[in-house]
Amino acid sequence: AQKVTQAQTEISVVEKEDVTLDCVYETRDTTYYLFWYKQPPSGELVFLIRRNSFDEQNEISGRYSWNFQKSTSSFNFTITASQVVDSAVYFCALSEITGNQFYFGTGTSLTVIP
Amino acid sequence: DGGITQSPKYLFRKEGQNVTLSCEQNLNHDAMYWYRQDPGQGLRLIYYSQIVNDFQKGDIAEGYSVSREKKESFPLTVTSAQKNPTAFYLCASSTPGTLPGYTFGSGTRLTVV
Repeated sequence: AQKVTQAQTEISVVEKEDVTLDCVYETRDTTYYLFWYKQPPSGELVFLIRRNSFDEQNEISGRYSWNFQKSTSSFNFTITASQVVDSAVYFCALSEITGNQFYFGTGTSLTVIP
Repeated sequence: DGGITQSPKYLFRKEGQNVTLSCEQNLNHDAMYWYRQDPGQGLRLIYYSQIVNDFQKGDIAEGYSVSREKKESFPLTVTSAQKNPTAFYLCASSTPGTLPGYTFGSGTRLTVV
């Protein structure tokens, strides 16, 4: 069965602190995709990153970085020097290689305090 | 600009009434999806459709119905059989096999009073 676990329900940090959001997944597929989405208060889910299971290279995009470790089935997300605009709910998701269906974690609500 | 439009953003209905949520996309995506979001439960799949005139039940389809008469449109009806319809509903689209994955609408918050 496919499953995504985001154990951190809520996180609060002070502006400029670094924060890591954890994501652990379960799948029997050998190939799959992993995603992170951001949901600001407006409600729309915004795509942040997609990672193919074959590609275990870490990725950095500005203040955002992602650590994919297949050995531990984890796909963690780090925000460096957090800002108030980073306050949102963040979802980790897993999809089959066909992309037909996504499996979402329960989300982590991040609050950045000015 | 291409995207997904969900309307209305807020919807209030009396208990026992059916209500239809609109979802329209101009991305030329083949597949469309409806998710329900409740606090602390993440997103749960209600229905999805991969082609016109065809759709499949997701994990929580009971009390909901959909249609897919046009590629661009995938309306969701919340029927009176849905025991707890108050929630945030998100529509998404994709072309399976094409990256980067889902594009989401901005959601409809349904409150049943």
